[in-house]
Amino acid sequence: AQTVTQSQPEMSVQEAETVTLSCTYDTSESDYYLFWYKQPPSRQMILVIRQEAYKQQNATENRFSVNFQKAAKSFSLKISDSQLGDAAMYFCAYSLNSGGGADGLTFGKGTHLIIQP
Amino acid sequence: GAVVSQHPSWVICKSGTSVKIECRSLDFQATTMFWYRQFPKQSLMLMATSNEGSKATYEQGVEKDKFLINHASLTLSTLTVTSAHPEDSSFYICSADSGNPFGAKNIQYFGAGTRLSVL
Repeated sequence: AQTVTQSQPEMSVQEAETVTLSCTYDTSESDYYLFWYKQPPSRQMILVIRQEAYKQQNATENRFSVNFQKAAKSFSLKISDSQLGDAAMYFCAYSLNSGGGADGLTFGKGTHLIIQP
Repeated sequence: GAVVSQHPSWVICKSGTSVKIECRSLDFQATTMFWYRQFPKQSLMLMATSNEGSKATYEQGVEKDKFLINHASLTLSTLTVTSAHPEDSSFYICSADSGNPFGAKNIQYFGAGTRLSVL
């Protein structure tokens, strides 16, 4: 079974600084997807970034980028120029690409990100 | 685009009654929808995968007779918590896979969640 581990229950960063959230995962599969989702106090899950395992290039979305190390099974999220609106729970998630229909997500326990003004 | 509506947002019911939660994809068709459960200050746990026109697939440990899932159309999936008890109180979240219309597979868009309180 797949597992996703987020070892940082809470992280704090000054506004405008850069912060990196860690995530490791365990799988015996070679074709899968990795995600970072954000959950603000409203509890609405928002997709931050998505990485396809067979792509070596790290995904980026504006201020958000990942460091995907497939051999090490590591998938960290870097947030540059942190803003107050970035404060939320961040969940790392894994999904198998079974080649057929969509597959469910396995989530890590989350990292609570605090932005200090 | 990619909006998922979940209703109701909060429901309070008496122990022993049944509660239905609806999940709709508003601007795309979703062959597959998912139901997750989130306990306070914890992560999301996949409960079941719902495919249009077929029986749902439940994760290990999830009682299929307790949590009835129906996916009658490409835009609607429902979760019915039958004979609810206080231990069923939780936050239930649905998601829908975006599929081909947005050019990328395996992107799940989430509803806003339903807070269930069983008295």
